[in-house]
Amino acid sequence: DVKVTQSSRYLVKRTGEKVFLECVQDMDHENMFWYRQDPGLGLRLIYFSYDVKMKEKGDIPEGYSVSREKKERFSLILESASTNQTSMYLCASRIPIHNEQFFGPGTRLTVL
Amino acid sequence: QKEVEQDPGPLSVPEGAIVSLNCTYSNSAFQYFMWYRQYSRKGPELLMYTYSSGNKEDGRFTAQVDKSSKYISLFIRDSQPSDSATYLCAMSRSGAGSYQLTFGKGTKLSVIP
Repeated sequence: DVKVTQSSRYLVKRTGEKVFLECVQDMDHENMFWYRQDPGLGLRLIYFSYDVKMKEKGDIPEGYSVSREKKERFSLILESASTNQTSMYLCASRIPIHNEQFFGPGTRLTVL
Repeated sequence: QKEVEQDPGPLSVPEGAIVSLNCTYSNSAFQYFMWYRQYSRKGPELLMYTYSSGNKEDGRFTAQVDKSSKYISLFIRDSQPSDSATYLCAMSRSGAGSYQLTFGKGTKLSVIP
């Protein structure tokens, strides 16, 4: 079974703090994704990485950056957290020839 | 018109009922169709994956795709309280841009014992 893990289930940060969300997958998948999920808005893609050191902006990249130094690890960085970044953050991975994505358990981030 | 439309519910059914969940879409380029189940405060879990039109069955779950109508369905037979969750449809095109999944907003299902 594909295993995608995220570093924290719940996180509380203050406005202006730099926040790191970590994601690790154990199935040697080339592609990794970061989404946020909000009530009424559904899942929205923040960033996508198709291989190590490769990244592409998704639909809502503003206020976020990413890092992929190793194949199994994809980090989402909030440079200066703001209250409107309070959300559920979901990491996913996939093999390029398949279209299904496998999700981690999510990190519920609250910015005060 | 949104690319993917999904009735948010909530949908409440008695245990043992047959459940029908649906999504419509507008982009004829979509070729791959998925259903995810998401329990409260958890990540989405892949339930069914189909390519193009047709049916796929897995235990109590059946996924149907009708590309001519741009309509996909998930049927759950003999529904159980453990099926209570939010169900998300997702779809993607083939080739360039295939990494991008377009999700419905989810239907919240409650199965009452």
